[in-house]
Amino acid sequence: KAGVTQTPRYLIKTRGQQVTLSCSPISGHRSVSWYQQTPGQGLQFLFEYFSETQRNKGNFPGRFSGRQFSNSRSEMNVSTLELGDSALYLCASSLGTGGFGANVLTFGAGSRLTVL
Amino acid sequence: GENVEQHPSTLSVQEGDSAVIKCTYSDSASNYFPWYKQELGKRPQLIIDIRSNVGEKKDQRIAVTLNKTAKHFSLHITETQPEDSAVYFCAAPGYALNFGKGTSLLVTP
Repeated sequence: KAGVTQTPRYLIKTRGQQVTLSCSPISGHRSVSWYQQTPGQGLQFLFEYFSETQRNKGNFPGRFSGRQFSNSRSEMNVSTLELGDSALYLCASSLGTGGFGANVLTFGAGSRLTVL
Repeated sequence: GENVEQHPSTLSVQEGDSAVIKCTYSDSASNYFPWYKQELGKRPQLIIDIRSNVGEKKDQRIAVTLNKTAKHFSLHITETQPEDSAVYFCAAPGYALNFGKGTSLLVTP
């Protein structure tokens, strides 16, 4: 069974540009969550998608957005990049039913974004 | 949202010693408490979890304890080995699965 796949794995952008990251969940998983990981800040929740709908959203500015397709693949977009957006962006998939107390999150390897 | 505090931020132990990492949470309705291990350059991986209907769970050298009254839970690693060196994250559910800031564990031979 294939795991959670994220592309691209590494990318470098300059301030003001935008970026799109992709996440393919485990087959059968309908929920995709996105997290930003920076040194010393742990994993900060961005948003969660389930059945093509954003179900929850973290405390990030509107420059961060996402979507989910009918095949459960998800993308996140960051517009007008800032230096502080440099981070590892992790997605995690789960079955999605029953809430976060019921399903195990399985993480992808992440997309490491560097903003110059 | 759920606030998860994790301590210590760094922990250094000698091989064979025990390591304990503690987390507190704020939402008394939280019912699921996973622990993830992230080795350098790798993805976080679930190593053990506990649900609110039990007080302790063990899996070989690792164990997790839960005190619902005090709203804290702990990870215990016994007989530590160098390959246990990693960053460990606790988490608790709110509107999302919220993570602590991590504990960097170093096990020295």
